[in-house]
Amino acid sequence: AQSVTQPDIHITVSEGASLELRCNYSYGATPYLFWYVQSPGQGLQLLLKYFSGDTLVQGIKGFEAEFKRSQSSFNLRKPSVHWSDAAEYFCAVGATGGFKTIFGAGTRLFVKA
Amino acid sequence: GAGVSQSPSNKVTEKGKDVELRCDPISGHTALYWYRQSLGQGLEFLIYFQGNSAPDKSGLPSDRFSAERTGGSVSTLTIQRTQQEDSAVYLCASRMEGTSAGEQYFGPGTRLTVT
Repeated sequence: AQSVTQPDIHITVSEGASLELRCNYSYGATPYLFWYVQSPGQGLQLLLKYFSGDTLVQGIKGFEAEFKRSQSSFNLRKPSVHWSDAAEYFCAVGATGGFKTIFGAGTRLFVKA
Repeated sequence: GAGVSQSPSNKVTEKGKDVELRCDPISGHTALYWYRQSLGQGLEFLIYFQGNSAPDKSGLPSDRFSAERTGGSVSTLTIQRTQQEDSAVYLCASRMEGTSAGEQYFGPGTRLTVT
């Protein structure tokens, strides 16, 4: 069965520090992978997506993610975090050719000054 | 507007009452999803509409939940005889035809509180 695991419920980083949010997935074939961000009181916004090709993908707001098939991971990274990045981040896997997307439970990011 | 809109933004209701939640997708988006987001949980898929096809209702948690989409645009999620466990944020998302399942545009959600 398809599943997405985000091992960290919450993470706190200092402003200006680097960030890595972990995501592991279980899927029978090559998945479509996504990261979304949800600011307080808002819906989810797509940060980036991976379909195929280059395993390092760039997204909006300075985020990037790397697909590692051997580790079934799709970790999200940012070199320097800004206070406005404080939000909840969701990793998701989508079936190729299907309509469903499975979301992880989310990681809440706190940014301290 | 250019985005997905949902109304109301907040709804407080008494246990046992019926509620209707509305979603206006992005114009031209043929796919529409409803999700439920409970505190500290991920997104729970509820129902999916695609064009004029029969909706996929496999995520609806009970027969108290139903949804319709009129004219391929606006959708209404109805919860009958609400229970306290129905308290959650209900999110709607739409997607353009031809894009992958994960490329969804989300509305801001309706926060439902059942007292």
